[in-house]
Amino acid sequence: EAQVTQNPRYLITVTGKKLTVTCSQNMNHEYMSWYRQDPGLGLRQIYYSMNVEVTDKGDVPEGYKVSRKEKRNFPLILESPSPNQTSLYFCASSPWGTSSYEQYFGPGTRLTVT
Amino acid sequence: KQEVTQIPAALSVPEGENLVLNCSFTDSAIYNLQWFRQDPGKGLTSLLLIQSSQREQTSGRLNASLDKSSGRSTLYIAASQPGDSATYLCAVRRGGATNKLIFGTGTLLAVQP
Repeated sequence: EAQVTQNPRYLITVTGKKLTVTCSQNMNHEYMSWYRQDPGLGLRQIYYSMNVEVTDKGDVPEGYKVSRKEKRNFPLILESPSPNQTSLYFCASSPWGTSSYEQYFGPGTRLTVT
Repeated sequence: KQEVTQIPAALSVPEGENLVLNCSFTDSAIYNLQWFRQDPGKGLTSLLLIQSSQREQTSGRLNASLDKSSGRSTLYIAASQPGDSATYLCAVRRGGATNKLIFGTGTLLAVQP
């Protein structure tokens, strides 16, 4: 089954404790992206990657890091989480090219930072 | 700066009604527009993708239209069912390297049995 998976689905942590949220897709997509969703603000892009070893900042990259060492994986790293990073996080993927493709989203990771 | 607005923010209808959800965007230079469904505690499910050159797309009881010049899209749901209850999000993809989707804040739909 074609899908985007995220782990963990739920995470409660404390300020300053480094964490990683994993994202994996099995569709051989070039493009992957991370969004966060907050009440009243909608979904906003954090980082994106157009292919292996190619990443760039989205609209709200502060406090986050990403890496793309393999095509299927795109982990989101919070080196020193703070309470304002409490949010619902989504990973997305799609093919990349001149055609216009739909994006597929993972199930989300709900993060609480205390 | 592209802004996407969805009206109404919430909608409650009795089962069986046909309904329309609205999405408007400020910059008509979009690559495509995608409608999603989000269930509580779950991810986003893609419903329909409309390319910028298209006027509408249909899938089952769903029909989405796009009017780029006026910056509007509508999602029409025919013969609504309680299982249609969810938050509906529209998102526009602008051109360029980021492939970023710019989302509206959604319409929370409740279909009463």
